[in-house]
Amino acid sequence: TQLLEQSPQFLSIQEGENLTVYCNSSSVFSSLQWYRQEPGEGPVLLVTVVTGGEVKKLKRLTFQFGDARKDSSLHITAAQTGDTGLYLCAGTLNDYKLSFGAGTTVTVRA
Amino acid sequence: DTGVSQNPRHKITKRGQNVTFRCDPISEHNRLYWYRQTLGQGPEFLTYFQNEAQLEKSRLLSDRFSAERPKGSFSTLEIQRTEQGDSAMYLCASLTMAGRNYGYTFGSGTRLTVV
Repeated sequence: TQLLEQSPQFLSIQEGENLTVYCNSSSVFSSLQWYRQEPGEGPVLLVTVVTGGEVKKLKRLTFQFGDARKDSSLHITAAQTGDTGLYLCAGTLNDYKLSFGAGTTVTVRA
Repeated sequence: DTGVSQNPRHKITKRGQNVTFRCDPISEHNRLYWYRQTLGQGPEFLTYFQNEAQLEKSRLLSDRFSAERPKGSFSTLEIQRTEQGDSAMYLCASLTMAGRNYGYTFGSGTRLTVV
């Protein structure tokens, strides 16, 4: 049973458009991470958010952790074709184990 | 090489055969985790080690699965009597911790196909 629900499951946009991916849970997490995964590769860590209400920016990517630490969002501004990939959110359980969402497949068309 | 290395990258095996995967973590990371990822899903936790000690195993890890980490360095994951349902990507990750800042480094995974 996955604790985190990601939406949408698939997202296809034109280069230059903005997009937002959502990650929701009924559980409270001590921290939450976002990863990007390319086909045939392992996930690569993008960011860790630990404080409720926290906002982190990584160039064109903005990550937000909900006030209650149950949800998060990833916003990409002016998407580029290089942003194409599977985006995964993961909540931290005890002993640093991660509970992943099912992922959002983002396709940015040229 | 400062990354996590997994071998082999791909494995095709017949049902009923045994397979073994290897993971070489980042040398200074003392925690090592195994996850399994099936198509269209996020990775699911299997087991983890603190140095050479295996501290937790998921219910997903049936008695056909065994993992070791001798001397707290590389780790192996063995699946005996493979079944088609074992087909998945097996991911290894090592963990660095610095207070509230921690980070997983995942390997590229071993893609297992059971035919």
